[in-house]
Amino acid sequence: NAGVMQNPRHLVRRRGQEARLRCSPVKGHSHVYWYRQLPEEGLKFMVYLQKENIIDESGMPKERFSAEFPKEGPSILRIQQVVRGDSAAYFCASSPGTRYQETQYFGPGTRLLVL
Amino acid sequence: AQTVTQSQPEMSVQEAETVTLSCTYDTSESDYYLFWYKQPPSRQMILVIRQEAYKQQNATENRFSVNFQKAAKSFSLKISDSQLGDAAMYFCAYRSANNFNKFYFGSGTKLNVKP
Repeated sequence: NAGVMQNPRHLVRRRGQEARLRCSPVKGHSHVYWYRQLPEEGLKFMVYLQKENIIDESGMPKERFSAEFPKEGPSILRIQQVVRGDSAAYFCASSPGTRYQETQYFGPGTRLLVL
Repeated sequence: AQTVTQSQPEMSVQEAETVTLSCTYDTSESDYYLFWYKQPPSRQMILVIRQEAYKQQNATENRFSVNFQKAAKSFSLKISDSQLGDAAMYFCAYRSANNFNKFYFGSGTKLNVKP
């Protein structure tokens, strides 16, 4: 009964490097969401994807950030040329495509630290 | 845009006592879902309880119950017989029934449980 899996759990990058965060949704879930949590704050929506499609990216910064959810494999959140302000916890959540779509199940998060 | 407000940054409760966490939200929609998530020190987001806005009956899950006041746009969480394992950050969240794209989270309430 695997839940949402994220890896790595902790990621350290130097300024200017790229960060790749992976998310495997609950088996059978076709909807994936990414959130960012800055220190001492709640989660902020970034992007919503279904298989091979970006449905809503209204919370994504316009530059350096991208996300994908390919037909096979995990969803990837990619941050290019990271800056210190990107340091945060990044959470992935998934939901089924039909009933109970309203509930999202969260992964354990990836803590990104930019030096 | 919907907003979720948690006005209590931090609260404390004695073990075995009852505590209530407050949450208010702002929306023009009539159909939506409300959630309470728990985030322990491990930072994992754990669903505690959910409430459908069209249901008048307050949701209950073991020691956790809500007081949903739709007209007042209030959604408080009551934790009875508090346990040390209840110590965590608690986030209130809103989700539209018509737009499943995203959750809106409050800023969180840190709950301390004293032995």
